[in-house]
Amino acid sequence: DSGVTQTPKHLITATGQRVTLRCSPRSGDLSVYWYQQSLDQGLQFLIQYYNGEERAKGNILERFSAQQFPDLHSELNLSSLELGDSALYFCASSPSPNNEQFFGPGTRLTVL
Amino acid sequence: EDQVTQSPEALRLQEGESSSLNCSYTVSGLRGLFWYRQDPGKGPEFLFTLYSAGEEKEKERLKATLTKKESFLHITAPKPEDSATYLCAVQARGTYKYIFGTGTRLKVLA
Repeated sequence: DSGVTQTPKHLITATGQRVTLRCSPRSGDLSVYWYQQSLDQGLQFLIQYYNGEERAKGNILERFSAQQFPDLHSELNLSSLELGDSALYFCASSPSPNNEQFFGPGTRLTVL
Repeated sequence: EDQVTQSPEALRLQEGESSSLNCSYTVSGLRGLFWYRQDPGKGPEFLFTLYSAGEEKEKERLKATLTKKESFLHITAPKPEDSATYLCAVQARGTYKYIFGTGTRLKVLA
């Protein structure tokens, strides 16, 4: 157990809908990262926050947004969902932006 | 463009048959290189961080090494429980982004 928690574990929804994924980092970690992992692709970096501020952006679609709250938990919002958004979404945390990351168990999103 | 390439894509070993996995990287100044293990359907598990050429880290049957252009993950006398996907990631200086390779799927047969 890495100490990073993600909810929900599974999410099934329809195209065009909007969902919110939640992540609580390890105690003491200030950085939070979001990744997407599809069957045909590796881990794709989406976005990183440090102590509430956005620090780096990867291949995150405009339909996706994220934020980190004052208590350091983070949410990833996915809207206008498409079939291709079906994937495992991982959250990771680290003490600072330059440390190794500790991953949560992931949220499996299925868009029907 | 910063890039990470892992080889081979897949590897089957007999129990006890040692081998190495490769991670080649192209970055404009390396801040750190990270190795992770991922079991199916689970989040990656951190193994090692390497910062400079010549550095080595060991943990049980695993040893990671780093040169200026690549890293190797050596697996000595592997066991079936070492079967997993091994991921390599790099972070370049001047950026907070992490770039992951597509991984090596390792299967160790009893």
